[in-house]
Amino acid sequence: QKEVEQNSGPLSVPEGAIASLNCTYSDRGSQSFFWYRQYSGKSPELIMFIYSNGDKEDGRFTAQLNKASQYVSLLIRDSQPSDSATYLCAVNPRITGGGNKLTFGTGTQLKVEL
Amino acid sequence: DARVTQTPRHKVTEMGQEVTMRCQPILGHNTVFWYRQTMMQGLELLAYFRNRAPLDDSGMPKDRFSAEMPDATLATLKIQPSEPRDSAVYFCASGGRGVQETQYFGPGTRLLVL
Repeated sequence: QKEVEQNSGPLSVPEGAIASLNCTYSDRGSQSFFWYRQYSGKSPELIMFIYSNGDKEDGRFTAQLNKASQYVSLLIRDSQPSDSATYLCAVNPRITGGGNKLTFGTGTQLKVEL
Repeated sequence: DARVTQTPRHKVTEMGQEVTMRCQPILGHNTVFWYRQTMMQGLELLAYFRNRAPLDDSGMPKDRFSAEMPDATLATLKIQPSEPRDSAVYFCASGGRGVQETQYFGPGTRLLVL
């Protein structure tokens, strides 16, 4: 079992719809979770992080965490063609500091169609 | 605008040659990570440093790869001798000290070993 698992996709959604990206992790001790977006040929860029169970909203993005189920998701509302990218889920076993290493999933490719 | 910088951005070399990649972390960040990304394996952590000291290089082939941080503003990753299977994009990322810190990625070095 991989430490961080994501469906590789591609996930296709129409413009304006809600895109739902999912991630499961195996280390029950993991405490912080990150979503990165990576455009083709570019480096990963941070979208959101979440530490506590529940939802965290930032603009059109909502991260959801359920530690009991070892599940984290990213919702993108009003999807735009510019959201088309690969979304990487990353897990950090400790709650403080970027100084701890992240384990990345292989990413889900999202395509937002006109 | 604080950014991680990497040089070179692109490198084409022949098998057996030495390759040196350089990274300048964001000023004030105390942790530096080296990743390798391929289509097949995704994003893999090779090594990371905190306060210039190596913390974990278990992801790195020791016989040909070496990573150093000669000062706080420079991290290097060397491959000697290079092999075609080393062809990948190599990312450097840096992280800070704060509670909500995460990792910020450089633009990457795209390496092709012929």
